[in-house]
Amino acid sequence: GEDVEQSLFLSVREGDSSVINCTYTDSSSTYLYWYKQEPGAGLQLLTYIFSNMDMKQDQRLTVLLNKKDKHLSLRIADTQTGDSAIYFCAEKDGGATNKLIFGTGTLLAVQP
Amino acid sequence: NAGVTQTPKFQVLKTGQSMTLQCAQDMNHNSMYWYRQDPGMGLRLIYYSASEGTTDKGEVPNGYNVSRLNKREFSLRLESAAPSQTSVYFCASSEALAGVYNEQFFGPGTRLTVL
Repeated sequence: GEDVEQSLFLSVREGDSSVINCTYTDSSSTYLYWYKQEPGAGLQLLTYIFSNMDMKQDQRLTVLLNKKDKHLSLRIADTQTGDSAIYFCAEKDGGATNKLIFGTGTLLAVQP
Repeated sequence: NAGVTQTPKFQVLKTGQSMTLQCAQDMNHNSMYWYRQDPGMGLRLIYYSASEGTTDKGEVPNGYNVSRLNKREFSLRLESAAPSQTSVYFCASSEALAGVYNEQFFGPGTRLTVL
């Protein structure tokens, strides 16, 4: 079945770049997403990428998609303490529903 | 707009007790979802409702039931709570348009502890 994997933890210093990686298995996914969860809150969509794109940039965020290797990454430039959160990668179910398959989440800790 | 609201925010149950988690959305979305979040396991789909009047099992449906009461409301019921159901529960909703990314909007979560 579908599976989405992420490393559990990443620690960076304020001002550095952060790169959060994700691998997925469903090659028929049309959209891939990055969601952010701040402490004690629900998830919020950060960005998404359509499967026919290799890269998407949105201010400090860069998403890279390697369809051949089924690898997705999120780069956050100039990481700030406010970026400390859990980041979830998700793929849209390849079927007719709008179900999302979420990864385990990566806890990003930004050190001042 | 309030978005997606969930009640209660916190709940402690004893093993064997029952309860219903409530969820409502005011965005006129067709699809609604219930997830549970456990450490190191991400979000796992319990049940979903693609449209009013339909419900389907997700990845971890055992021990739960759902009701799509109307387009706005989607409730999750635990008939006989077990300690393994201690978790944070999130409700979400989305449009169901073909060919677009259909962002899921999440509620703030219900933190449930079963003793």
